[in-house]
Amino acid sequence: KAGVTQTPRYLIKTRGQQVTLSCSPISGHRSVSWYQQTPGQGLQFLFEYFSETQRNKGNFPGRFSGRQFSNSRSEMNVSTLELGDSALYLCASSLVLENTEAFFGQGTRLTVV
Amino acid sequence: GEDVEQSLFLSVREGDSSVINCTYTDSSSTYLYWYKQEPGAGLQLLTYIFSNMDMKQDQRLTVLLNKKDKHLSLRIADTQTGDSAIYFCAETGSGGYQKVTFGTGTKLQVIP
Repeated sequence: KAGVTQTPRYLIKTRGQQVTLSCSPISGHRSVSWYQQTPGQGLQFLFEYFSETQRNKGNFPGRFSGRQFSNSRSEMNVSTLELGDSALYLCASSLVLENTEAFFGQGTRLTVV
Repeated sequence: GEDVEQSLFLSVREGDSSVINCTYTDSSSTYLYWYKQEPGAGLQLLTYIFSNMDMKQDQRLTVLLNKKDKHLSLRIADTQTGDSAIYFCAETGSGGYQKVTFGTGTKLQVIP
């Protein structure tokens, strides 16, 4: 079966713009989590959605938001982009909320110039 | 808050064993994980251990957990060049099962 699909793979945006990233989880998976990976901060948890509801949120400003649709697909949005938002954004899906195994996508590489 | 520490770099010869170490601070950790990330790729879950276990073996991988010292290790037997990657230790604790806290990652270099 298909893995976790993130689109687009690469993105270049200008400071001040906004961006929307998409994640399609593995078929049947209902939990989707988002992570930001940067060389300086490593991998940091952004938020997690289950059944269209945000269940957990990391320590990121309100410019970072997300949502999940009824088909479990998820989007994350970053408004008023800053140079420091340049990162690899990873999405993970798992079957249920308390599942041990999360499958990660290839990520979206966002560059803010 | 939760904190997970790893050494940044490890170099081993092909065929030797690799041991990657990790320490964490969250005493309420429930699951501890090892992920592998190859260049340009996402994260691949290698193995995980529940906090009430001491050891888990899966083919060439052995995970040891010392809960008292909050120390986790991953041993890779007969290390191959294909094992070269960054290895992340991670845990889920009081923040919720899917709020995973990752370590800084250990870059494993396997010398042929």
